[in-house]
Amino acid sequence: QVQLQESGPGLVKPSETLSLTCSVSGGSIRSYYWSWIRQPPGKGLEWIGEIYYSGTTDYSPSLKSRVTISVDTSKNQFSLKLSSVTAADTAMYYCARRYCSTANCSPFDPWGQGTLVTVSS
Amino acid sequence: DIQMTQSPSTLSASVGDRVTITCRASQSISSWLAWYQQKPGKAPKLLIYKASRLESGVPSRFSASESGTEFTLTISSLQPDDFATYFCHQYNSYSTFGQGTKVEIK
Repeated sequence: QVQLQESGPGLVKPSETLSLTCSVSGGSIRSYYWSWIRQPPGKGLEWIGEIYYSGTTDYSPSLKSRVTISVDTSKNQFSLKLSSVTAADTAMYYCARRYCSTANCSPFDPWGQGTLVTVSS
Repeated sequence: DIQMTQSPSTLSASVGDRVTITCRASQSISSWLAWYQQKPGKAPKLLIYKASRLESGVPSRFSASESGTEFTLTISSLQPDDFATYFCHQYNSYSTFGQGTKVEIK
């Protein structure tokens, strides 16, 4: 059973870069798409972007200028970098998996438990 | 962007009640709609995909339907384990989510 675990600093200073890693266990990172999703306190979920194991990426248009997602297949991990953070980037950050065929994609399953990142000086 | 409007935001109910949660998409998403359950401190759990298909292992008291751009999740007889937050997710174009519905004990 595939499990995802997010890791990274829980506190980031304004204007700095938020960096998180998602470790995948119980299965290979190959042949799937891997996403980052966030949820600010008391608000709804927002998809940040995703990466295919080959390295192909797709980002939310609203965050594209600040987001970089990368993958390390040798470590079965993928990572998120979000630059120039502000208090508005304070959120629970989740990683999740989905499968895509040539025709369509599946919903996200499974998800990690999430990691809270606070942006504050 | 496709907007998902979910209602209600909070729902108070008792064990055994029939519960209905609705999501409305701002444009057609075909049937590319999923429902998740989330409990505090836990990862979201997929319940329904393709608008009405029950994920393996999910109790049959959960069901879902669609009518145009309106999607409904129904719990036929609420159980103690069902008190949680539920949210919808459209995956027709990028991904957007409903704001969530917290089902709490009445």
